Amino acid sequence: AQTVTQSQPEMSVQEAETVTLSCTYDTSENNYYLFWYKQPPSRQMILVIRQEAYKQQNATENRFSVNFQKAAKSFSLKISDSQLGDTAMYFCAFLRLGTASKLTFGTGTRLQVTL
Amino acid sequence: DAGVTQSPTHLIKTRGQQVTLRCSPKSGHDTVSWYQQALGQGPQFIFQYYEEEERQRGNFPDRFSGHQFPNYSSELNVNALLLGDSALYLCASRTGGYNEQFFGPGTRLTVL
Repeated sequence: AQTVTQSQPEMSVQEAETVTLSCTYDTSENNYYLFWYKQPPSRQMILVIRQEAYKQQNATENRFSVNFQKAAKSFSLKISDSQLGDTAMYFCAFLRLGTASKLTFGTGTRLQVTL
Repeated sequence: DAGVTQSPTHLIKTRGQQVTLRCSPKSGHDTVSWYQQALGQGPQFIFQYYEEEERQRGNFPDRFSGHQFPNYSSELNVNALLLGDSALYLCASRTGGYNEQFFGPGTRLTVL
């Protein structure tokens, strides 16, 4: 079974600064996807960024980028130029190929962006 | 284009009762999954429906059952409710392959 660990329950960052959220996972699989989801107070889970394990290049989406270290089983999210709208719970999630819907989530990191 | 919708928004039940939650997938999506998110936790996968059949199931008891209709909408049924079933229930939909799952806003179930 896969496990996803987010060791930072809460983090705070000032507007316009950069913050990095940590995620580690444990799996014996070689083919999988990793995701970061954002869940604002409205509760709607929104995909932030996705990384395919077979790709060595780290994924980027505008102000969001990841540092994917496959050997270390680490998948951190960097948010640059933080905005007040980034305030939310952030979940790291794992998807094993062949289980096309079964996302395994971490416990989340609550990010607060302050003025 | 409406995204994933869920009803009701909130629900209060008592122990032993039964509950039905509903989900309409995003237009063009044919696969629906359900997740349970307890307070302060990440979502846990309950099951997935495709072509009106349960295709995958997480570690949930048989009290949790579901259904998918020909229009791809889905229901989650929970029988003999326990206090521990209190949670946010999320529905997610996608189309074939490993495309992005789109989540609904969830139904908050409180069991008293």
